[in-house]
Amino acid sequence: EAGVAQSPRYKIIEKRQSVAFWCNPISGHATLYWYQQILGQGPKLLIQFQNNGVVDDSQLPKDRFSAERLKGVDSTLKIQPAKLEDSAVYLCASSRRGLTYNEQFFGPGTRLTVL
Amino acid sequence: GENVEQHPSTLSVQEGDSAVIKCTYSDSASNYFPWYKQELGKRPQLIIDIRSNVGEKKDQRIAVTLNKTAKHFSLHITETQPEDSAVYFCAAQTTGNQFYFGTGTSLTVIP
Repeated sequence: EAGVAQSPRYKIIEKRQSVAFWCNPISGHATLYWYQQILGQGPKLLIQFQNNGVVDDSQLPKDRFSAERLKGVDSTLKIQPAKLEDSAVYLCASSRRGLTYNEQFFGPGTRLTVL
Repeated sequence: GENVEQHPSTLSVQEGDSAVIKCTYSDSASNYFPWYKQELGKRPQLIIDIRSNVGEKKDQRIAVTLNKTAKHFSLHITETQPEDSAVYFCAAQTTGNQFYFGTGTSLTVIP
């Protein structure tokens, strides 16, 4: 099966600019996760979708970050405006169902540099 | 929310020796504990996982143990090889199906 796709792979912007990331999960996977991975740290969950509904966005900085998953397939994550501390790799992952014990598959990530 | 701590942050071993990485978690209701290997510039890859109703699981040179009472779990790699060099992350899945990750262990296997 095809893996999780993400684009772009790299993005460099200046602070206060806006940026959007795209994720296409594995076909049939109902659950989609967005993570932020700052250099030298573990992935931090930003938001979790089950189909097109939000399950958890408690760690999403909602004053600047937004995400949507229209039609329960592709998802976009947006940052507006970006800050220096947003420099990180943004990982998308998906799993078959929002049930326990389901392996999540990661995409290649988008490396964001904010100057 | 769940809090996962991981130790050590760096680990160097001689080729052929064993490596052990330890994690603790705070939410006693967490019930699934995967381990990921992440090579530089690449995505995390699942290497082994354990469910809360199991105490130990082994897959060739890799094993994971879980102590629910103490709320800690460990990754054991035996007969280490240079290709085992990478950053390893533990994670805990909560009853809400969210994953919380440790801070990572950078393993270096010296030939």
